[in-house]
Amino acid sequence: KNQVEQSPQSLIILEGKNCTLQCNYTVSPFSNLRWYKQDTGRGPVSLTIMTFSENTKSNGRYTATLDADTKQSSLHITASQLSDSASYICVVSANYGGSQGNLIFGKGTKLSVKP
Amino acid sequence: DAGVTQSPTHLIKTRGQQVTLRCSPKSGHDTVSWYQQALGQGPQFIFQYYEEEERQRGNFPDRFSGHQFPNYSSELNVNALLLGDSALYLCASSSLGFRTGELFFGEGSRLTVL
Repeated sequence: KNQVEQSPQSLIILEGKNCTLQCNYTVSPFSNLRWYKQDTGRGPVSLTIMTFSENTKSNGRYTATLDADTKQSSLHITASQLSDSASYICVVSANYGGSQGNLIFGKGTKLSVKP
Repeated sequence: DAGVTQSPTHLIKTRGQQVTLRCSPKSGHDTVSWYQQALGQGPQFIFQYYEEEERQRGNFPDRFSGHQFPNYSSELNVNALLLGDSALYLCASSSLGFRTGELFFGEGSRLTVL
């Protein structure tokens, strides 16, 4: 069964600190992996998209890594800011011709950044 | 350039009623997908529309139906509302039809069923 598991479920850190969020998946055949940031009550916003051949991708203070062999991804946030408080959702695309219906969403990690 | 717009932003219905949610895709996009997101959960795929036809459907009952118009905008209809239909309904658009391209989400429509 195609699944995306994220950990931790929630995380509290102090402003200025770094943190790493984890995503493990059992999606096959794999097409790409995405990280989204979702503020409470808002729509998700794309942070990164990585294909099989990409190991690392950065977007400002966000750096995503992908290990397609172990089927693991991480999202590292550097020098956290209060505005980073949000849910971070890992989404894996299965390669069945690429329809959006083959996107498998994780439940997200809720990050709270405290002053 | 307007992104994905959804309406209404919030609405309250009672059990058994029907609701229609609307979505206008990002300019240049031709594919619209709808997702249901319960509190504390990830979005669940409802269905996808491309060229005015439902192309793929998730595990949702027939009470959930949709439509895509020639201008690529879309509607999601839910009949015979249940308490469990209370959720944030997200619309996402892309420009690659069947292919899995960059998805842009709207801000969602928060439905509360009493």
